[in-house]
Amino acid sequence: ELKVEQNPLFLSMQEGKNYTIYCNYSTTSDRLYWYRQDPGKSLESLFVLLSNGAVKQEGRLMASLDTKARLSTLHITAAVHDLSATYFCAVDRQETSGSRLTFGEGTQLTVNP
Amino acid sequence: DTGVSQDPRHKITKRGQNVTFRCDPISEHNRLYWYRQTLGQGPEFLTYFQNEAQLEKSRLLSDRFSAERPKGSFSTLEIQRTEQGDSAMYLCASSLLRLIYNEQFFGPGTRLTVL
Repeated sequence: ELKVEQNPLFLSMQEGKNYTIYCNYSTTSDRLYWYRQDPGKSLESLFVLLSNGAVKQEGRLMASLDTKARLSTLHITAAVHDLSATYFCAVDRQETSGSRLTFGEGTQLTVNP
Repeated sequence: DTGVSQDPRHKITKRGQNVTFRCDPISEHNRLYWYRQTLGQGPEFLTYFQNEAQLEKSRLLSDRFSAERPKGSFSTLEIQRTEQGDSAMYLCASSLLRLIYNEQFFGPGTRLTVL
């Protein structure tokens, strides 16, 4: 059974600081997705990482994938309040394309002024 | 609006009643997914369709749950004899089948409360 673990689950940080969220998964996969969810809202796709060593950046967020370590990171640079949300990583199974995503528990990020 | 839409957005029902939710995917997407999300957790997969065919169902999907996608367009998720444990956000997502990846786009969700 594919398991996805994120840490930390809760993150409170000050504006202007940097931090990294980690996502570990238990079985072979080279497709990793990051989503953002605001309170009471649905999930917004942030990044799709498709191969070992993939790195993608959008604004203050940068995501990377190490398939050998089964690890993805979401790095936050110079955090601002607007980044406050819950961030999920999700993995789909290696042997199929287009089936279920397995999500981590989410990291609830709060950026304080 | 060309995103995934869901109806209703909120549903309050009494235990034992049946409820039905609707999802309209992005028009050119051939895959449609249902997930359930409880407070403080990530979404959990329930089932998915490719066009009108239901290709996979989770063990979470008890006999009280049924989903359809007639004609490969919109989908409905019905829960019969609701229980308090069914209270959750029900999320629909759609994607365009590609060879190497499966970016899913989510709708706003239907929040179900079973009293």
